[in-house]
Amino acid sequence: GAGVSQSPRYKVAKRGQDVALRCDPISGHVSLFWYQQALGQGPEFLTYFQNEAQLDKSGLPSDRFFAERPEGSVSTLKIQRTQQEDSAVYLCASSYQVNTEAFFGQGTRLTVV
Amino acid sequence: GENVEQHPSTLSVQEGDSAVIKCTYSDSASNYFPWYKQELGKRPQLIIDIRSNVGEKKDQRIAVTLNKTAKHFSLHITETQPEDSAVYFCAAGGSARQLTFGSGTQLTVLP
Repeated sequence: GAGVSQSPRYKVAKRGQDVALRCDPISGHVSLFWYQQALGQGPEFLTYFQNEAQLDKSGLPSDRFFAERPEGSVSTLKIQRTQQEDSAVYLCASSYQVNTEAFFGQGTRLTVV
Repeated sequence: GENVEQHPSTLSVQEGDSAVIKCTYSDSASNYFPWYKQELGKRPQLIIDIRSNVGEKKDQRIAVTLNKTAKHFSLHITETQPEDSAVYFCAAGGSARQLTFGSGTQLTVLP
């Protein structure tokens, strides 16, 4: 595709519900990042993939958060047993290499009620 | 890990004036410093970036300077226009690791 695509754009989940957020990176981009952005804040790093390998997951806030990129392309961020503090915009970004321009998707706005 | 501090958090300037946003970073291994512009409800978009082997880079009305010794870098926007109003984020990154972002600066250009 022409850019990074994320779905859904908006998700409302009841507390305790599991959610799955999808990211389609730019074709050929090796690096893929997930960030969490709270209102009025900068993106906070969650996890990073190089191809299918998850090289860094140090930013995942708890073991309820899980990310995968099984074929080195599409990635899914899963949040189990959602809590109100999980409400945020989840941004995905991809880049050709890790130290090159990162292109962001439009994000998924998650609201936990 | 890396820590990026960004100042100011809000900045208002008159149209046509210059705007300067400053960031500091903590990890001397960082070697890539992009700046992103994010309009309300939209994705962050890269406006300019600089690598550690360069001290300054300019693109039309936008320039970035980097002082590796002091571990700080700045964004300069000249001849500001209302469409420059947005949130600007600095970031720092290095080989084989992710970008760490600053907390953002809300720039408002007053007509």
